[in-house]
Amino acid sequence: SQQGEEDPQALSIQEGENATMNCSYKTSINNLQWYRQNSGRGLVHLILIRSNEREKHSGRLRVTLDTSKKSSSLLITASRAADTASYFCATESNFGNEKLTFGTGTRLTIIP
Amino acid sequence: TAGITQAPTSQILAAGRSMTLRCTQDMRHNAMYWYRQDLGLGLRLIHYSNTAGTTGKGEVPDGYSVSRANTDDFPLTLASAVPSQTSVYFCASSEDRGLGYGYTFGSGTRLTVV
Repeated sequence: SQQGEEDPQALSIQEGENATMNCSYKTSINNLQWYRQNSGRGLVHLILIRSNEREKHSGRLRVTLDTSKKSSSLLITASRAADTASYFCATESNFGNEKLTFGTGTRLTIIP
Repeated sequence: TAGITQAPTSQILAAGRSMTLRCTQDMRHNAMYWYRQDLGLGLRLIHYSNTAGTTGKGEVPDGYSVSRANTDDFPLTLASAVPSQTSVYFCASSEDRGLGYGYTFGSGTRLTVV
């Protein structure tokens, strides 16, 4: 069963615009992570936010976490063609099994 | 470049045959994982290993087995392949499990069972 659900499933924006992707999850978590996957490649870890954090930045990435709503958002500012990829949220539960559970992803296309 | 090496890159396998997907990491990470990725279903955990000598079942373990004889290697074996095992398989590792470390992924093995 999926823990994380990304929204939207697909997003197309012009280069230079900001892209926002959302993730909702069902159970209590230790942390939430975002990954990028370029076509035909493995996933690359982007950023991790812990359950006691509300916002985190890394370069052009900004992640927020609202544990009361069980949701997170990933903002990519000043998008570039190279940002075209699928983006996945993944949650690490605090139920003792500590497995990382992935959502189904958002497909982001940056139009030059 | 440090990371995870998976082999083969792709394979077409006849149903009923066995196959081992290889995974090697050079980062001395304690934990390793096997996921399968299917369109519309995201990534699902097959098996994991917290440390050398131990393994555990994930969300979809049936039809698969793993071993962890040493820190670096974590092979995944399909004893008798079925068409529903057609998928892209990713090996991943992390420094430790359950302590908030990001995962490092390999480039994947695309398996088609016919």
